Amino acid sequence: EPEVTQTPSHQVTQMGQEVILRCVPISNHLYFYWYRQILGQKVEFLVSFYNNEISEKSEIFDDQFSVERPDGSNFTLKIRSTKLEDSAMYFCASTLLRDTNEQFFGPGTRLTVL
Amino acid sequence: QKEVEQDPGPLSVPEGAIVSLNCTYSNSAFQYFMWYRQYSRKGPELLMYTYSSGNKEDGRFTAQVDKSSKYISLFIRDSQPSDSATYLCALGYSSASKIIFGSGTRLSIRP
Repeated sequence: EPEVTQTPSHQVTQMGQEVILRCVPISNHLYFYWYRQILGQKVEFLVSFYNNEISEKSEIFDDQFSVERPDGSNFTLKIRSTKLEDSAMYFCASTLLRDTNEQFFGPGTRLTVL
Repeated sequence: QKEVEQDPGPLSVPEGAIVSLNCTYSNSAFQYFMWYRQYSRKGPELLMYTYSSGNKEDGRFTAQVDKSSKYISLFIRDSQPSDSATYLCALGYSSASKIIFGSGTRLSIRP
């Protein structure tokens, strides 16, 4: 069964460093998302992406964040200068069609900022 | 008032019991209603997906949406220890839009 994959599973970085989290959405899906979950808290929406453009973003998704679909398969989230409070699980999700909201999530990348 | 409210539990029931999990929401504009299961430090796994009101059944799982009361439920029949996880309700305003998650209910099924 097709699934969303994410790499790395765990990333440790120093405060102020740039990180890139990678996702491979399900192959024929058209809409892509990033969410995050701080330990013990809710899953929170960061950004949605369609047709090579950001569709929607939350107030968390400030200028330090960016997303890109550099080729036909990968979808990346970049954090330019990480802060301690960026430590969280980051989940990528995708959905196939415009007239649905069935979002399928990847296993997540655990980001630890020291 | 929070957009989506969910009792965090924990909820502990014996194997074979019927489990009822619930969420309430405040905005009548929600149209898409989902339940996800999440194991510790793993990604949310989509269990049930409903558009608008009504019931949906899939094996041992039944999802109910009552838009008039702004209340959604997930029932698990013949619960198994492998059902032990955190269950997240998730709501969407429109197709392909962001999802708003509840805080999750931690469920434990005792053998």
